[in-house]
Amino acid sequence: AQKVTQAQTEISVVEKEDVTLDCVYETRDTTYYLFWYKQPPSGELVFLIRRNSFDEQNEISGRYSWNFQKSTSSFNFTITASQVVDSAVYFCALREYSNSGYALNFGKGTSLLVTP
Amino acid sequence: DAGITQSPRYKITETGRQVTLMCHQTWSHSYMFWYRQDLGHGLRLIYYSAAADITDKGEVPDGYVVSRSKTENFPLTLESATRSQTSVYFCASSDVVSGTYYEQYFGPGTRLTVT
Repeated sequence: AQKVTQAQTEISVVEKEDVTLDCVYETRDTTYYLFWYKQPPSGELVFLIRRNSFDEQNEISGRYSWNFQKSTSSFNFTITASQVVDSAVYFCALREYSNSGYALNFGKGTSLLVTP
Repeated sequence: DAGITQSPRYKITETGRQVTLMCHQTWSHSYMFWYRQDLGHGLRLIYYSAAADITDKGEVPDGYVVSRSKTENFPLTLESATRSQTSVYFCASSDVVSGTYYEQYFGPGTRLTVT
């Protein structure tokens, strides 16, 4: 069963628009970690944020912000005033405490295209 | 170079051949991972290692073998390559300190084509 769902397969916005990427996760653990990674066209995976299940405080980093809501099992990612360089595939991932090896369960990704 | 590196970056091989993908990290992270990325599937875990000489299977281990004799290296071997193993392979490493799990850092990937 898919533990991380990114329902938006592709999103296209015009530069300077705000865009929110949705991530819904499923776990029975009370202790877990959530992550977002960015994969630009060059192909590497870039770490963006880590959040543990006990820290529901939202986070802002420049134009990026994350909204973690345990009540809805969501960890959404918003880019404010999007730029062409934000074009990439974004992955949400879950690491459960009970998951041996500390491996990540990735969603299938959301492809974001920002056009000028 | 510091960080995590993979070699080769691109590889074309024939069905039935053995091929080894290399992964090297300089952080002395205890955990290392191999993922494959395929369109429509996202990233799926092949194998992971908690320390030198400790390895275990992930979600899609069939047809792959790993070893970890040194902390910094985690090679992935396809014993007899098949076309279904055409994919982009990512190696990753992470640290766990006093129960705190830190993020995984990924190598640049190896694009493998099996003809």
